[in-house]
Amino acid sequence: GDSVTQMEGPVTLSEEAFLTINCTYTATGYPSLFWYVQYPGEGLQLLLKATKADDKGSNKGFEATYRKETTSFHLEKGSVQVSDSAVYFCALPSYGNNRLAFGKGNQVVVIP
Amino acid sequence: NAGVTQTPKFQVLKTGQSMTLQCAQDMNHNSMYWYRQDPGMGLRLIYYSASEGTTDKGEVPNGYNVSRLNKREFSLRLESAAPSQTSVYFCASSVRQSNYGYTFGSGTRLTVV
Repeated sequence: GDSVTQMEGPVTLSEEAFLTINCTYTATGYPSLFWYVQYPGEGLQLLLKATKADDKGSNKGFEATYRKETTSFHLEKGSVQVSDSAVYFCALPSYGNNRLAFGKGNQVVVIP
Repeated sequence: NAGVTQTPKFQVLKTGQSMTLQCAQDMNHNSMYWYRQDPGMGLRLIYYSASEGTTDKGEVPNGYNVSRLNKREFSLRLESAAPSQTSVYFCASSVRQSNYGYTFGSGTRLTVV
């Protein structure tokens, strides 16, 4: 089935730093792509999505561009805050759109 | 706007006990899902229900059963709990197909001792 791969390991950075989390995908066709965020002790929330190639999803200062040439959907934020500390998951529909396949997630810790 | 409601939020079971995790959504979504989340493993699909009256296995169905009681409710049952089932369980729903994304519940933290 279609899948996504996220970069390994947690990310620790200082407040106001630039954040990038890498996500690459393997898919037949051009599925929608998603980023979800999980704050401590909570469920996952949809952060942003893109439905076709070259689309840019954006929300809360985060952006991700659907790039078919590099099969990527990297998440970026120009100036992170302590409140952005969370786990971030990349996802795409799989198995004929019957389910979402998630990456393993990246823990982001922002230090004041 | 309740969205997806899961109960209970926390549960401790002894090995061999049974329990049912409840999930209900009020968004008139057709599809519902059960995932488990374990450190270093990400989210793994246990079972899903594409529409009322249907259920299908996901990646890790062993030791679980599900019931799609009606369009709103999708329960997950552990018949004989094992320590390997210690995890955080999330229910999710979607309008129809996964291209629309999911709405998640807040999770059930289950510990089996």
